Amino acid sequence: DAGVIQSPRHEVTEMGQEVTLRCKPISGHNSLFWYRQTMMRGLELLIYFNNNVPIDDSGMPEDRFSAKMPNASFSTLKIQPSEPRDSAVYFCASSFASQGAGGYTFGSGTRLTVV
Amino acid sequence: DAKTTQPTSMDCAEGRAANLPCNHSTISGNEYVYWYRQIHSQGPQYIIHGLKNNETNEMASLIITEDRKSSTLILPHATLRDTAVYYCIVSRNFNKFYFGSGTKLNVKP
Repeated sequence: DAGVIQSPRHEVTEMGQEVTLRCKPISGHNSLFWYRQTMMRGLELLIYFNNNVPIDDSGMPEDRFSAKMPNASFSTLKIQPSEPRDSAVYFCASSFASQGAGGYTFGSGTRLTVV
Repeated sequence: DAKTTQPTSMDCAEGRAANLPCNHSTISGNEYVYWYRQIHSQGPQYIIHGLKNNETNEMASLIITEDRKSSTLILPHATLRDTAVYYCIVSRNFNKFYFGSGTKLNVKP
């Protein structure tokens, strides 16, 4: 298995532009998570999906952020418009959701820089 | 979820056992203890988890005290590649993990 695949690995964009981050979870996993990591705030859970349905988006910082999971093999996190304070590493993770079934598998992350 | 307390950093000599402590004195009966690590610039990696009993896998051992108020992650023979930030997480909700600051483990030759 190739693991959780995120693209792009690096993204540099200008303030005000739309940014779309992509994630392909591990086949068979039915939960997907988006995290953001910064030096100041550490790892923050933004949103998670179960069976392609958004369950909890309370961590999404504001309306400029949106996430979709149109099918079991693909998810996107979109920022529109982007701002410099959105600069961070964004991680996607997937799991087979049941308590005690083991942990998440994280992707390698997308490093976003908004200038 | 219960709060966890971990030392900010620890050193360990290569080849020796690394024992990483975690305090979770407010843990409730249905909360699991999870350990993850994050090697520089990579995504966090799951290590091990447990509820009450001690657990062992190919990566590490998890020792949970009888009162469940603390736990220790043991890397039996630390290598340089084990240098990372180690996160102890307590959660009853498998779908909502909160990563704190973790312990920066420095394995030295």
